[in-house]
Amino acid sequence: IAGITQAPTSQILAAGRRMTLRCTQDMRHNAMYWYRQDLGLGLRLIHYSNTAGTTGKGEVPDGYSVSRANTDDFPLTLASAVPSQTSVYFCASSEGKDTDTQYFGPGTRLTVL
Amino acid sequence: GQSLEQPSEVTAVEGAIVQINCTYQTSGFYGLSWYQQHDGGAPTFLSYNALDGLEETGRFSSFLSRSDSYGYLLLQELQMKDSASYFCAVMENSGYSTLTFGKGTMLLVSP
Repeated sequence: IAGITQAPTSQILAAGRRMTLRCTQDMRHNAMYWYRQDLGLGLRLIHYSNTAGTTGKGEVPDGYSVSRANTDDFPLTLASAVPSQTSVYFCASSEGKDTDTQYFGPGTRLTVL
Repeated sequence: GQSLEQPSEVTAVEGAIVQINCTYQTSGFYGLSWYQQHDGGAPTFLSYNALDGLEETGRFSSFLSRSDSYGYLLLQELQMKDSASYFCAVMENSGYSTLTFGKGTMLLVSP
């Protein structure tokens, strides 16, 4: 069982380019999340999805979009990357209702130049 | 607004006991979680408190006081491998609910 996989592991991207970070889970979890982690700022929620077909905005959604076409996949898209989006991105999932545990993927380190 | 406060760094020696505090101010409260993250790794779940009191899991314990909006993570018999960042996180509602994380506490364990 892989849990949660993310791709790519790391990426260097020119400003203005479009980029999609991939996230796949095999635990059949209902809820999925995208966080960014910056030094000294902890984990900040970008977008989330409680079930397939629904999405919601987190604390820092600007410049990012997500989709949830099925239970397993939750891609995060940067339509036009900017240097301030340089960060480590973590995808996570949880069972959903009244759950207390989120399971995190290994992360994607993104550098926007 | 929502805020969680925890110390930025704590140092201790092997074999010691260390307590990492977390105070929160959120619009709602359903439970408090703790996550561990080693440098360069993914956060992993440690413990969860929904009710007042102490929850014990091996060397780690977590405490919650809802009336004080306060919790702590207690690590006993510290080992070098416990050097990591520790995050508290509040779940604000029952049902489908996101987590709001604190900025994290870096624990440095020395020999």
